[in-house]
Amino acid sequence: QQQVKQSPQSLIVQKGGISIINCAYENTAFDYFPWYQQFPGKGPALLIAIRPDVSEKKEGRFTISFNKSAKQFSLHIMDSQPGDSATYFCAASMRSGTSYGKLTFGQGTILTVHP
Amino acid sequence: NAGVTQTPKFRVLKTGQSMTLLCAQDMNHEYMYWYRQDPGMGLRLIHYSVGEGTTAKGEVPDGYNVSRLKKQNFLLGLESAAPSQTSVYFCASSYPRTSGRTSYEQYFGPGTRLTVT
Repeated sequence: QQQVKQSPQSLIVQKGGISIINCAYENTAFDYFPWYQQFPGKGPALLIAIRPDVSEKKEGRFTISFNKSAKQFSLHIMDSQPGDSATYFCAASMRSGTSYGKLTFGQGTILTVHP
Repeated sequence: NAGVTQTPKFRVLKTGQSMTLLCAQDMNHEYMYWYRQDPGMGLRLIHYSVGEGTTAKGEVPDGYNVSRLKKQNFLLGLESAAPSQTSVYFCASSYPRTSGRTSYEQYFGPGTRLTVT
């Protein structure tokens, strides 16, 4: 059972373009939605996260858009740079109950930014 | 601080062999996790621990066992390795309870690449 579905699997963008990665979730009990960035040979690292009481969060060139009614959220990377080339994972978690702190990850998106 | 460290970095096993992966963290985190990463499947939770001496099953626990005898260490064991366990294994930790600040961020180690032939 895949509770968080991520698309696309891979994405190629030109330098300076906008990269958009989408995720959809099923469990309405999820209330924390982070994005992780992973470079080859490294472990994932938290990039940006959002809670469902806001519809958008921006940190530098990275923005999360959140649509609670559609149970969807997306990552936008503005002015994409070759250094952004990495695998991106969306995830979801519950902040209460027995599943507290556990992350359910999407399948990942391999982003390549061409110079 | 070293953060989260994992040993070994690479390992090749034959079917039926056993091994233990070690994860250590120096951030005084309460929670620790073991994931496996496979192409197109993201990261899947194998087992996790919410404190010293406690463990619980995740999404894909079959074929694995874990132990958390010390707060800073979380061990993942494969008793009888199978080719289906060929994967990259990541350990993570989170929730610095002593800080009084709630944090949901998980800190990942560099991974162990395991091949079972």
